[in-house]
Amino acid sequence: AQKITQTQPGMFVQEKEAVTLDCTYDTSDPSYGLFWYKQPSSGEMIFLIYQGSYDQQNATEGRYSLNFQKARKSANLVISASQLGDSAMYFCAMRGFSGGYNKLIFGAGTRLAVHP
Amino acid sequence: EAQVTQNPRYLITVTGKKLTVTCSQNMNHEYMSWYRQDPGLGLRQIYYSMNVEVTDKGDVPEGYKVSRKEKRNFPLILESPSPNQTSLYFCASSPMGVTDTQYFGPGTRLTVL
Repeated sequence: AQKITQTQPGMFVQEKEAVTLDCTYDTSDPSYGLFWYKQPSSGEMIFLIYQGSYDQQNATEGRYSLNFQKARKSANLVISASQLGDSAMYFCAMRGFSGGYNKLIFGAGTRLAVHP
Repeated sequence: EAQVTQNPRYLITVTGKKLTVTCSQNMNHEYMSWYRQDPGLGLRQIYYSMNVEVTDKGDVPEGYKVSRKEKRNFPLILESPSPNQTSLYFCASSPMGVTDTQYFGPGTRLTVL
């Protein structure tokens, strides 16, 4: 069965420093996508970054990068130069075929607090 | 602007009173899905649809119905809401591929008294 694990319920980081949010996944599918979403206190789900299982290079989007280690089944999110507006809940998600259908499954999330 | 819209954004209702949460997307996506989010449980899929008239159950379908009569719309129906359906609901849409990003609506916060 497919599973996403985020082991850090909460993280603190000083403004302007980098932070890594951990995500490990489990799947037997050869083709899958890994995604990170940000949920600020206002509640919406904002797509941040994507990594495909066949991608050779780690994905980057501005201050966000995804440290993809396929053999270890990890897809950690790195936020560089943290800003106060980065304080939010962050969800790792995987999309693949599970039980015969195409679905997106989520981890429990990590709450990030950025301090001035 | 490409977007997924949901209405209403907030709803307080009473047990047993039928309600519908609408979802619409303007990106011509085949795949649409409903999720509920509860503290400590992340997001769980309720129902999904891979095209018009094609819907199927997700992980937590009990107490919900959906329909997909048009490609752009995917309403969520609670025939007889109960307090355990108090939650934050999200609609999402995407192309069909497993490597395609799902885009989420703004969410509907439902309280059932």
